[in-house]
This record gives sequence, structure tokens and C-alpha cells, in this order.
Amino acid sequence: QQQVKQSPQSLIVQKGGISIINCAYENTAFDYFPWYQQFPGKGPALLIAIRPDVSEKKEGRFTISFNKSAKQFSLHIMDSQPGDSATYFCAASIKGGSEKLVFGKGTKLTVNP
Amino acid sequence: NAGVTQTPKFQVLKTGQSMTLQCAQDMNHEYMSWYRQDPGMGLRLIHYSVGAGITDQGEVPNGYNVSRSTTEDFPLRLLSAAPSQTSVYFCASSNAGISYNEQFFGPGTRLTVL
Repeated sequence: QQQVKQSPQSLIVQKGGISIINCAYENTAFDYFPWYQQFPGKGPALLIAIRPDVSEKKEGRFTISFNKSAKQFSLHIMDSQPGDSATYFCAASIKGGSEKLVFGKGTKLTVNP
Repeated sequence: NAGVTQTPKFQVLKTGQSMTLQCAQDMNHEYMSWYRQDPGMGLRLIHYSVGAGITDQGEVPNGYNVSRSTTEDFPLRLLSAAPSQTSVYFCASSNAGISYNEQFFGPGTRLTVL
């Protein structure tokens, strides 16, 4: 049973465009929703995270939108750059912490120059 | 701070062999965990520990063993390697007890079982 469903599997955008990655979850006990960025040959690194008491969080060009009633959240990358090319994972956990994260399957983003 | 370190970076085993993947962190984090990453599968939790002497199973624990004798180290043991354990393994740590805390990942160990 996949608790966090992520789409699309891969995404190609042009430099300057908007990248959008979507995730949906099933467990209503989840209360922490981080996004991780992973470059080839490296470990994942926290990009941005949100709690369910807010509907949007923005950090620079990266924004998380959260819809609690629909049990969905998404990552928007504005003005996408070739350096953003990486694999992105959404995740979720309960009890307000990053312990026992449940990950989506990942989205490979390619930003063409 | 070195953060989370893992050794070795690469390893090739034959079916039935045993080995230990090493993980260490220098951030005094109570919480440590092991994930495996397979193509198209995301990261799946193998085992985790909330402190020295305390470990518990994650989503995919079969074939793996862990122990936590110190805060810094959290080794993962493969008892009898199988081809299905070919994967990239990541160790992670975080400061448990702080809400919405970041989990830091190591660089990974790429394991091939023939």
C-alpha cells in the first residue's frame, strides 16, 4: 500500500518555466510534509517543508501548496534553472517530526537551457 | 562537522555473503535510520533507532539487522546477502524531540549482490 503517491515520474521544462510536482496521501495522521532534492550520486537533502496548519509556504523560487481537504500537496519551482535538474521526493510523517518518513517514488526533473 | 558519513561507497557481494554497512554522525542526533533506494520506488525505511540501545523495524526489515551501542554509530548488517538486496543504502539522522526537525542523509552506499 503506497501511502504517498507522487506524479509525474519525470518532467522536462525549459529554462525559466514553472515546474510542478504533485503528491497525494492517504493517512490523515500525517502532519509533516517535506520535499527532498537529490542530485545524482548524492544523498537526498531537505528542500522545503510544510505543516498542515498553513496552505502555502514559499522559500525563494520554491513553493509548497497544501490542500488538507483533498489530501494533496505540490511543489512549484518558479523560473526553473538547469541547476534545478535533480530528482525530487515528497514525503510525509506523523507526530510532527521527520522520523519514519514515508516517501513518494520521486520525480526526475530536467530543465533544458 | 562531517555530518552523516557512510562506508563503503561501493560494495559487490556474492549471494550468501554477509557484510556491515557503516554509518556515523557527529551532530549528537538521537534519531538514526536506514533507507534503501531502488529505481522507481523512492526511499523505503529499513530500521531506525531513537537512541542508543533502542532500535525498531521499518517498512522493509527482512534480511537486515541493526544495533545502536553509541549515539554516533548505527551499522546495518546483511546477514546473508541476496540479489534482491542490490540497492543504494542511505543512512540518516535527526534531532529527535524537536518538532518538524530536518533529517540529514549520508552520501549512500551502492551495493550489488551477484
